[in-house]
Amino acid sequence: SQQGEEDPQALSIQEGENATMNCSYKTSINNLQWYRQNSGRGLVHLILIRSNEREKHSGRLRVTLDTSKKSSSLLITASRAADTASYFCATVSYNTDKLIFGTGTRLQVFP
Amino acid sequence: EAGVTQFPSHSVIEKGQTVTLRCDPISGHDNLYWYRRVMGKEIKFLLHFVKESKQDESGMPNNRFLAERTGGTYSTLKVQPAELEDSGVYFCASSPREAIPYEQYFGPGTRLTVT
Repeated sequence: SQQGEEDPQALSIQEGENATMNCSYKTSINNLQWYRQNSGRGLVHLILIRSNEREKHSGRLRVTLDTSKKSSSLLITASRAADTASYFCATVSYNTDKLIFGTGTRLQVFP
Repeated sequence: EAGVTQFPSHSVIEKGQTVTLRCDPISGHDNLYWYRRVMGKEIKFLLHFVKESKQDESGMPNNRFLAERTGGTYSTLKVQPAELEDSGVYFCASSPREAIPYEQYFGPGTRLTVT
């Protein structure tokens, strides 16, 4: 099945540091999305990158996509305590709308 | 604009009982999705409605699960009879149909505990 894997599973950093999370997937995709989940809350969409894009920025977020390696990375620069959450990548294949989620990375940012 | 809402936020039932989860999507969103995350595992797709029609129900685990979206507005997901392995968080999401690709807007989830 097309299931993504993320690493690391957990990441602890200090405020101001950068956080990098990686995601790998198995099949061809139309786009890849990153979501954040705060404890006990729903998933919040962060950024979407299409299969023909290599890099995308949104505020303090930078996403890269390497379709040859079937991998993506999410970089959060100058992290804040409020960035503490679980982060998930999710892929969308052609001819479907469903999201296939990765296993997630738990990020802890200490003040 | 109100977001996706789900009810209840938490449900505790005994094995063999029935539970119905409800999702109200963002007004005007034709697409409605159900996902779930069972303990320690990844979030998995269950099914996708376009208005009142089931577009994709490939993720439904078995016939104990029944989803409906009468009238193309809110949706219900019934589990009957519930089993221990059904415990987890059930998420609903919605999205408009105007542009592809598009993000999905998620509700806060319903935590289901089967004892």
